[in-house]
Amino acid sequence: DAGVIQSPRHEVTEMGQEVTLRCKPISGHNSLFWYRQTMMRGLELLIYFNNNVPIDDSGMPEDRFSAKMPNASFSTLKIQPSEPRDSAVYFCASRGQGRSSNQPQHFGDGTRLSIL
Amino acid sequence: DAKTTQPTSMDCAEGRAANLPCNHSTISGNEYVYWYRQIHSQGPQYIIHGLKNNETNEMASLIITEDRKSSTLILPHATLRDTAVYYCIVRTDTGRRALTFGSGTRLQVQP
Repeated sequence: DAGVIQSPRHEVTEMGQEVTLRCKPISGHNSLFWYRQTMMRGLELLIYFNNNVPIDDSGMPEDRFSAKMPNASFSTLKIQPSEPRDSAVYFCASRGQGRSSNQPQHFGDGTRLSIL
Repeated sequence: DAKTTQPTSMDCAEGRAANLPCNHSTISGNEYVYWYRQIHSQGPQYIIHGLKNNETNEMASLIITEDRKSSTLILPHATLRDTAVYYCIVRTDTGRRALTFGSGTRLQVQP
C-alpha cells in the first residue's frame, strides 16, 4: 500500500519567495495533519483537517502560512512570503477512522525546507 | 497524556532481539500505548499500539505489564535498518490532537 506521499522532498529558496508543499494522504484516511520539526522545538502540529475541513489551525505560526485540502486525496501548505526562520522539515500525516477511535497517524517522509 | 520514561540509548547486535522498555506509571484506564520510530532523514513511522493485551504485528511485539505501568517493545531480529530513535507515547484518541514525542531511545544496531 502506498503511504503518505509528500513533495517536494527538498526545497531551497530565497527569502520572500512563495513555497508550496504538497501531500497525498493514504487512500481512505479522513484526517490529515501538517507538522513542522526542528532541532530546537521538536515536532509541532500546524493544522489538522477532518473530512477535508480545517478543525484546528491554532499551530499555524502566522498569516504567512496557509493550508488547504480541496479533496480527500490532496492537501497543500503554503508559505508566502517565506523567511529563514521557516527552515525546517515539514511532515504530513494521515489517519483512518477505522472501528476504533485510537487509530495511529501515519507520516510521510517530509519536505526539508531551507530558506536562504 | 501520561508521562513516559525511556532509556536514552541502547545497543543491540544484529540478528538479536531488541527489547526497548518504557515506564508509564501514571497511565489511566483508557490510554493506549503507542510506539513510533524515526530513522534519520525520514518521517516518524508507526510501529504498534495496545491497550492492555500483548500485541504483535509484522514489525514488532508489544508486551504490556498486567498493571499497565510499563511496557516493552520487542524487535525479534534486529537489523541495521532498525537503527533509529524509538518513541513510546501514552494517550487516548489520536484524533485531533498532535502527537508529542519525548526524547525517545536511540537504538544502535551493531553489525
